[in-house]
Amino acid sequence: AQSVTQLDSHVSVSEGTPVLLRCNYSSSYSPSLFWYVQHPNKGLQLLLKYTSAATLVKGINGFEAEFKKSETSFHLTKPSAHMSDAAEYFCVVNLLGAGGTSYGKLTFGQGTILTVHP
Amino acid sequence: DGGITQSPKYLFRKEGQNVTLSCEQNLNHDAMYWYRQDPGQGLRLIYYSQIVNDFQKGDIAEGYSVSREKKESFPLTVTSAQKNPTAFYLCATKGQAETQYFGPGTRLLVL
Repeated sequence: AQSVTQLDSHVSVSEGTPVLLRCNYSSSYSPSLFWYVQHPNKGLQLLLKYTSAATLVKGINGFEAEFKKSETSFHLTKPSAHMSDAAEYFCVVNLLGAGGTSYGKLTFGQGTILTVHP
Repeated sequence: DGGITQSPKYLFRKEGQNVTLSCEQNLNHDAMYWYRQDPGQGLRLIYYSQIVNDFQKGDIAEGYSVSREKKESFPLTVTSAQKNPTAFYLCATKGQAETQYFGPGTRLLVL
């Protein structure tokens, strides 16, 4: 079975310090992986995606994530947090069937709420 | 969420009432999805449609119904059989490389 686990439900950082949001996945085949951000009462916005090209993926707003197959991880990082980064972040994996066939269904992590202090 | 609109932004349902949430897209995407979001539970798939006139149940379809008569539209009806409908509902479409794009959401509240 395919699954995704976000290791922290809440992360708190000070403005200007690095951000690390952790995500591990379980999949029988090489998955597509995504990070989305959600501000309160808004829809989800795509931050970045990994689709078996470069393992270090750069996204919007200075975020990046590294796909590590040996560790089955896809952690999200940012060198310097900004107040506007405060939001909920979701790690998402594309559901795959036998032979790596995509069903077009996503599996969502439980979310990590990022708080940024002045 | 550009190109995907959801209405209304807030919806109030009385006991025993059916209500319909609208989702419209102008991205020319074939696949569309409905998710339910509850605090601390991430997103759960209600229904999805890969193409016009076809749709499949997701993980929590009970108490919901959908139709897909046009490529641009994928309305979701929350029926009286759904006993706990209070949630944030998100519609999405699927573009290239399995990437999904989300609308702004509808918050459903029970009176």
